Amino acid sequence: DQQVKQNSPSLSVQEGRISILNCDYTNSMFDYFLWYKKYPAEGPTFLISISSIKDKNEDGRFTVFLNKSAKHLSLHIVPSQPGDSAVYFCAASGTNAGKSTFGDGTTLTVKP
Amino acid sequence: DTGVSQNPRHKITKRGQNVTFRCDPISEHNRLYWYRQTLGQGPEFLTYFQNEAQLEKSRLLSDRFSAERPKGSFSTLEIQRTEQGDSAMYLCASSLDESRPYGYTFGSGTRLTVV
Repeated sequence: DQQVKQNSPSLSVQEGRISILNCDYTNSMFDYFLWYKKYPAEGPTFLISISSIKDKNEDGRFTVFLNKSAKHLSLHIVPSQPGDSAVYFCAASGTNAGKSTFGDGTTLTVKP
Repeated sequence: DTGVSQNPRHKITKRGQNVTFRCDPISEHNRLYWYRQTLGQGPEFLTYFQNEAQLEKSRLLSDRFSAERPKGSFSTLEIQRTEQGDSAMYLCASSLDESRPYGYTFGSGTRLTVV
């Protein structure tokens, strides 16, 4: 049973427009959510996170929204840039802050 | 600090052989994690350490897998009697205890191919 799901394997947007990446989770014990970005031949890089006590967190062009009732979070990138083209992973962790559970990723392509 | 370092970057081995990977975390990070990633999937948790103590091990991890962090610094992951299904990218990550807002710092991984 996959506890963190990213239902869109890929997303293509035009430079300057908004990119919206979605993630759903099933385990109500998750209380911290993170997004990572991964370029080819590199490990994932932490991007932004949100605690379950918040519904929004913003960092520059990146905003994460959390809807606990729907068990859904999304990452908004505005404006999108070609350098944002990468695989984006959603991850979730529980209160012991040990392991994180990852989704299978969404490949974002930003076209110039 | 050069980040999380993993060696080797690539390993090709014959089925049935043993392999060992090394991870050097960021020096001040007391938590160290091992994940495995196969094509088209996200990182899958294997095990993690706080200092030298192994706090959790995935039930998916067979007895052929063992990890150590003897002095709370670098870690090794050994796979005995490798099988073709072990072919994957093995990722190491590290973090501080209270660094939840900042996530893990991952290494570039060790790609294992079992032939």
